[in-house]
Order: sequence, then structure tokens, then C-alpha cells
Amino acid sequence: GAVVSQHPSRVICKSGTSVKIECRSLDFQATTMFWYRQFPKKSLMLMATSNEGSKATYEQGVEKDKFLINHASLTLSTLTVTSAHPEDSSFYICSALVSHRALGDQPQHFGDGTRLSIL
Amino acid sequence: QQPVQSPQAVILREGEDAVINCSSSKALYSVHWYRQKHGEAPVFLMILLKGGEQKGHDKISASFNEKKQQSSLYLTASQLSYSGTYFCGTGGRYNQGGKLIFGQGTELSVKP
Repeated sequence: GAVVSQHPSRVICKSGTSVKIECRSLDFQATTMFWYRQFPKKSLMLMATSNEGSKATYEQGVEKDKFLINHASLTLSTLTVTSAHPEDSSFYICSALVSHRALGDQPQHFGDGTRLSIL
Repeated sequence: QQPVQSPQAVILREGEDAVINCSSSKALYSVHWYRQKHGEAPVFLMILLKGGEQKGHDKISASFNEKKQQSSLYLTASQLSYSGTYFCGTGGRYNQGGKLIFGQGTELSVKP
């Protein structure tokens, strides 16, 4: 149980394009999801907390107009990288928490990640 | 503030033991441990919630010292499949909505 699907797994696009990444909880409801960015051989850097039905909470230094997050349902959060440039190239990973369970007392369930390459 | 993991990297022979430490400068509510293989998503290992708690399954266990604000992951009789990068994720004292801050990672390589 607690499967998270992330799509696409890999995307290559030209500079200036906007890219949307989907994160779906397949067998549970997720009021809270997280978006991370990871550079090669580096840690998971939390970008934002996505809450169903409300605005995302962004971490300090993350441009909210650049990384648009929408969590319109209990099973889907999307991250849109707007007007992407080569410096946005990275590995983006989402995770989800099971609704109706204590948020701090459960593991985060991760998607498989999206490798974004901007040419 | 990001927790500090040590060591940054370790190389083992199959069957050897290893300890990975995770220290925080802030009071902790929880410590999570994950293992990530290259290009893949992190895989959950265990969560520790109480001060002084110890947990384990199979040959991987962990301890959490709330007073010292640190946790240790113990890998015994290592197997090739243990190779990967281990991350600790720390949850704040007042349960910040499940948010975790991850350490910089410890790269573990197990050789035959």
C-alpha cells in the first residue's frame, strides 16, 4: 500500500518551455504532499509543502512564481516549472502523507522522481 | 537547519558493520531514515519518535537520543544490497505538519 506515482519520469525540453510534473497517490488520500529538488550526489532539498485546497507553502529562497504548485484533489499535486532554463535542470521528487494519520508520525511515501533536462 | 550526518562516505566488505550518525542543532520530534540508490526514489527504513527509542528489523536498527538531539543507524553483517546513500530526515519539535529536513547523506558502498 501507499503507492505514489510521479509522471513523467524524464523530460527534455528547450529553454523557455513550461513543464508540468504530476504526483499521484494511487491507493490513499493525501492532504499533504511535498516537493523536493535534488542535485547529483546531494541531499533532498525541500521546495514546498502542498496542501489540498489551499496555497502551497514555499521554503525560503524558492521562487513561487517559477515553481507553481497546485493540489486540487486529495490524490494529485502538480509542479509546473515555468519558463524553464538550464539552471532548472535537476531531479524533482514528490512525497505524500496519508490523510487522517498523524502527520509527524508516519513515513513520507516518495514518487520515483522526474529527471528534468533543459537544453 | 539541516542535520549533520557522519561519516560522509564509507566503504565496507560484505559482512562488516557500519554506524551512521545524524545530529541536529534543534530539538527533534522525530527522526526518519531512508536509503536511496542512484537515480531512484528514497526508500523508507524506519521512523523513531521517542527519546531513547530504539528500533530495528533484520540487521538494520537505529537509536534516537532526544536529549542529545541525535540518532544513529546501525547496519550489521552488511550485504551488497545495502549499498546506497542513507539520509536522515528530522521532524521539528512541534510537529511541523510532517515536514522533514534531510541531512546531506552518507554514501555506503559494500564490496564483495
